This record gives sequence, structure tokens and C-alpha cells, in this order.
Amino acid sequence: SAVISQKPSRDICQRGTSLTIQCQVDSQVTMMFWYRQQPGQSLTLIATANQGSEATYESGFVIDKFPISRPNLTFSTLTVSNMSPEDSSIYLCSVDTTAFGEQYFGPGTRLTVT
Amino acid sequence: GDSVTQMEGPVTLSEEAFLTINCTYTATGYPSLFWYVQYPGEGLQLLLKATKADDKGSNKGFEATYRKETTSFHLEKGSVQVSDSAVYFCALRENSGGSNYKLTFGKGTLLTVNP
Repeated sequence: SAVISQKPSRDICQRGTSLTIQCQVDSQVTMMFWYRQQPGQSLTLIATANQGSEATYESGFVIDKFPISRPNLTFSTLTVSNMSPEDSSIYLCSVDTTAFGEQYFGPGTRLTVT
Repeated sequence: GDSVTQMEGPVTLSEEAFLTINCTYTATGYPSLFWYVQYPGEGLQLLLKATKADDKGSNKGFEATYRKETTSFHLEKGSVQVSDSAVYFCALRENSGGSNYKLTFGKGTLLTVNP
């Protein structure tokens, strides 16, 4: 398994501002993922962040809105840009540690945009 | 594309009752299947998994069997406890090769167990 930490754990932000969420893993992993969980909803994949390559975004998510960095095998950041109240969600990072997709999740960042 | 359909909640049971949460999937290949659990105020935890047909995943008294013929992966527990109250997510991942390891999740089922 992997131990994953995220910072901040929660934040309240004003519309129009940006927030950068950090994800730290206790071991080297190739694949990291960023998900969004809107209130009372399931998880939706935002993008896949592999070290050494550009992030791959899912339909409906764009790099200008959710820029991602992956500078090494244990760390990634997700920025939520020009926020609106619709961005209020829990943002989770996860890592894939085995060939069969056993993914482990961070505790999440609860974002509220006012 | 891939999809996961799971039983709508909420589900409310008394302690020691039998639990079934239904999950069916649509996939083009031979996916791995997972159940994740999210306890109140906590992150998502892997509960169990199965990687091929007829595999049975089990953990903490929960079981699920990968049924290819019915494309199902129903979660069961013989005797639930109050501490099992949580949201349960069924998920799949295609094993078709390449670098796409993303998970596709169902909508989640809220389980409340009363003493």
C-alpha cells in the first residue's frame, strides 16, 4: 500500500482566486490521478499525472482550469484556477501501485468557494 | 465506454442483518473490479478487489464475486455492525494494456446500520 497526504485539508476561497493542492506519497509511484467528488456525488477523474510527461485530462476538464505539476515520483500539485462556487468539491489524489489498478487515495481537500 | 451501476441508496439496516449492495458493470474488455468504502469524514479506502472471472474478493467480513456471465460484482456481508455505516463505491478498471489505469466509479451507496 501507499500512504498519501494532501495539503490543505480544507479551504474556503473567494470566487476568481486560485488554489493549489499538494499531494505527497511515501513511495515512488509512476501514476498519480486527480479526482473530484462533488457534494453527495461519486468520484470523477480530472486527469492522470505521470512523471516526465504532460498530464492527460478527461473530457470536460482543461489544463487552463486545472493545471497539474508532477515534478518527481512522490509529489504532484493540482491548481483550481479562477474558481467559482461550482468548483466547491472534495479533490482527491490517488496513486496506482500495481498492474491491476489497486489505487490508494489521499484524505482529500475540501474546497468551498464563496 | 465503461460504466458501473450500483444500487441506489440509502440502505438502512439493523445490526446483525444481512447486507447486499448490487453492482453491475459495462466494459469492453476484462476489467478488474473493486469495492471502496468511505467512512464519515474520512478518505476513500480499498475494501476488496477481484481481477478475473470467478475470483472472490474478501475483507473485514465483506465478500464479492466477479461474475462475468452476469457482469456483476455484488457486495455482501452476513452480519453488519454499526461501524460498517459508510458510503460504498463499486469501481472498475480496464486491463486492456497501455497506460490508462483510471478507475470508473459507481454513484455510491450510503449504508446506515442502527443498533
